[in-house]
Amino acid sequence: DTAVSQTPKYLVTQMGNDKSIKCEQNLGHDTMYWYKQDSKKFLKIMFSYNNKELIINETVPNRFSPKSPDKAHLNLHINSLELGDSAVYFCASSRAGGNQETQYFGPGTRLLVL
Amino acid sequence: AQKITQTQPGMFVQEKEAVTLDCTYDTSDQSYGLFWYKQPSSGEMIFLIYQGSYDEQNATEGRYSLNFQKARKSANLVISASQLGDSAMYFCAMREGSGRRALTFGSGTRLQVQP
Repeated sequence: DTAVSQTPKYLVTQMGNDKSIKCEQNLGHDTMYWYKQDSKKFLKIMFSYNNKELIINETVPNRFSPKSPDKAHLNLHINSLELGDSAVYFCASSRAGGNQETQYFGPGTRLLVL
Repeated sequence: AQKITQTQPGMFVQEKEAVTLDCTYDTSDQSYGLFWYKQPSSGEMIFLIYQGSYDEQNATEGRYSLNFQKARKSANLVISASQLGDSAMYFCAMREGSGRRALTFGSGTRLQVQP
């Protein structure tokens, strides 16, 4: 059973294109996240949604727009792709309540902008 | 200042030996959580272990244990009886405060287990 899934797994595209990455979780969690992992493996939060409401929006170019149609889905749309957008994008989810709130990650989407 | 510091870019360990991966953190919050994740070469992020700031005992999960020293702000991961499959990147992360907050990650340590 896939807990957090992302599509596509690989994405190769040209500069200037618009692309979307989809994320779905079947864990019944109420909070979802997008993280970016750069070429040096550094992971950084981009966005977080709780019950379809945006609660974290880090300093990310406005070419990136997240959308959460429901609690189980969080999509990431990227306009006018640039070379520097090449990275691995991870979706994650967690459940509120308790102190732990462990985040479970999807398999990642490897984006290469040419 | 960095919130999570992992000072070991790479580590080697012999199979069946124990290894400690270092992590220090910086926060002024009283309530926080510390996590370790494993990222094998296949790329996925696998949750290993959690330690809450108010937990009095060190967390353990199978061969993984967390050496939590609150006064020194360190949360080192100990892997006992290393296996070849433990070769991976290991990330320490912190969630500050309470509520649904994002994780802040360290730069990672690449562990290689040698036969």
